[in-house]
Amino acid sequence: AQTVTQSQPEMSVQEAETVTLSCTYDTSESDYYLFWYKQPPSRQMILVIRQEAYKQQNATENRFSVNFQKAAKSFSLKISDSQLGDAAMYFCASQGGSEKLVFGKGTKLTVNP
Amino acid sequence: DTGVSQNPRHKITKRGQNVTFRCDPISEHNRLYWYRQTLGQGPEFLTYFQNEAQLEKSRLLSDRFSAERPKGSFSTLEIQRTEQGDSAMYLCASSGRDRGPATTTDTQYFGPGTRLTVL
Repeated sequence: AQTVTQSQPEMSVQEAETVTLSCTYDTSESDYYLFWYKQPPSRQMILVIRQEAYKQQNATENRFSVNFQKAAKSFSLKISDSQLGDAAMYFCASQGGSEKLVFGKGTKLTVNP
Repeated sequence: DTGVSQNPRHKITKRGQNVTFRCDPISEHNRLYWYRQTLGQGPEFLTYFQNEAQLEKSRLLSDRFSAERPKGSFSTLEIQRTEQGDSAMYLCASSGRDRGPATTTDTQYFGPGTRLTVL
C-alpha cells in the first residue's frame, strides 16, 4: 500500500520570500509518480508540479520546484518569490501500480503581505 | 478545453434519502475518477473508469454507493440511504486522450466538487 505523509499542517511565508513544504511517501512500486496539487479556498484542485520517479532531475515549473530524494522517499516543494495568490492548501500525492492518486493530509499555506 | 464540471455544486439531504451527482469530464478524456474529501483531509480514491468500464473500486465504496459511466463520457455517482458519515466533498477528475489502454500516467484534472451535507 502507498502512503503519503505531510508533517506540516500549516505554514506561513512573507510575500516575495521562499517557503518549502515537506512530503514523505512510501511505496513498494518501482515505477511511480509524485505530484503537488494546490487547492485554493474555492476548492478546485489544481496541479502544481509532477515528478516521474525514474527521472533524476528535479522538476521545476516557474517559481515552483521540487527536491526529490528517492532513497529517502522525500518529495518537498519549494515556492520562490511567494505571492498572495499562492495561499492555499497544498497536497502531496503519489501514483503507482494503479491509476489512483494517494494524497497526504495537506499543508495550509498562508502568505503574509 | 473546458474543464471538468460537476453538478450540483451543493446538495443538502436528509438521512435515508438517495442522492445522485454528475460529472462531465474534459472532452475526449477516456479516464474518469471519483474521490471523496472530508474536512481537514486529503481526497480519498473511490473508483475509476476507463471508457465505460469500471476498473477499480475502493473498499470505501460500500454497497450503498454506485457509479456509472454508460457511454464513456459523463459519469454519475449515486448514494443510497445516505448517512451523516457520507457528508463530504465528492470530487471528480479526468485524464488521458488516447482511446487505447493507458501506457503512461496522465495528469488528473479535477472538477470543483459537489459538497454533500446529510442532516
